[in-house]
Amino acid sequence: GQQLNQSPQSMFIQEGEDVSMNCTSSSIFNTWLWYKQDPGEGPVLLIALYKAGELTSNGRLTAQFGITRKDSFLNISASIPSDVGIYFCAGRSGAGSYQLTFGKGTKLSVIP
Amino acid sequence: EAGVAQSPRYKIIEKRQSVAFWCNPISGHATLYWYQQILGQGPKLLIQFQNNGVVDDSQLPKDRFSAERLKGVDSTLKIQPAKLEDSAVYLCASSEARKAFFGQGTRLTVV
Repeated sequence: GQQLNQSPQSMFIQEGEDVSMNCTSSSIFNTWLWYKQDPGEGPVLLIALYKAGELTSNGRLTAQFGITRKDSFLNISASIPSDVGIYFCAGRSGAGSYQLTFGKGTKLSVIP
Repeated sequence: EAGVAQSPRYKIIEKRQSVAFWCNPISGHATLYWYQQILGQGPKLLIQFQNNGVVDDSQLPKDRFSAERLKGVDSTLKIQPAKLEDSAVYLCASSEARKAFFGQGTRLTVV
């Protein structure tokens, strides 16, 4: 089955720093989604990417769909304490396929 | 716009008991997913519906788990009998196009 490798697994950063995380896949995806999950809540969609090379921003968040269609990254600029949480990438492959595969998550801690 | 609704939020049962979870997707969303999320891991797909038909249930432990989506709207996921390793958060998500939106989940504890 499809596998997503997400890294880093966890990271500690100082408030105000930028942070980057990425996902790589063993197969080609046609959609990449990035989610944030707070404790006790369901994942919340942050950014959706639909084509290779696409670069999309949502406030301080920027995500890119890799050219090879097997990877994606998420950047957070000028981190703030409320950025704390677990970030998940998810990918969807194949025309008309709705199966969504998740990475294992990146746990972000922001030190004030 | 109302989001994905799930109930209950929390459930504690003894092993070998039965439990059921309910999901109401976003109105008009044809695709519905049930995911299992064990603490510290990413969500793992259990079953995917397209309207009221099953698209993928390859990772559903069918000896104890069952799910249905009658009329292509609400869905229920049942576990019978539950095992200790079923303790997890059960997430429901719905999708219309390529974006998927999640409910808050049901946290199941099996003791």
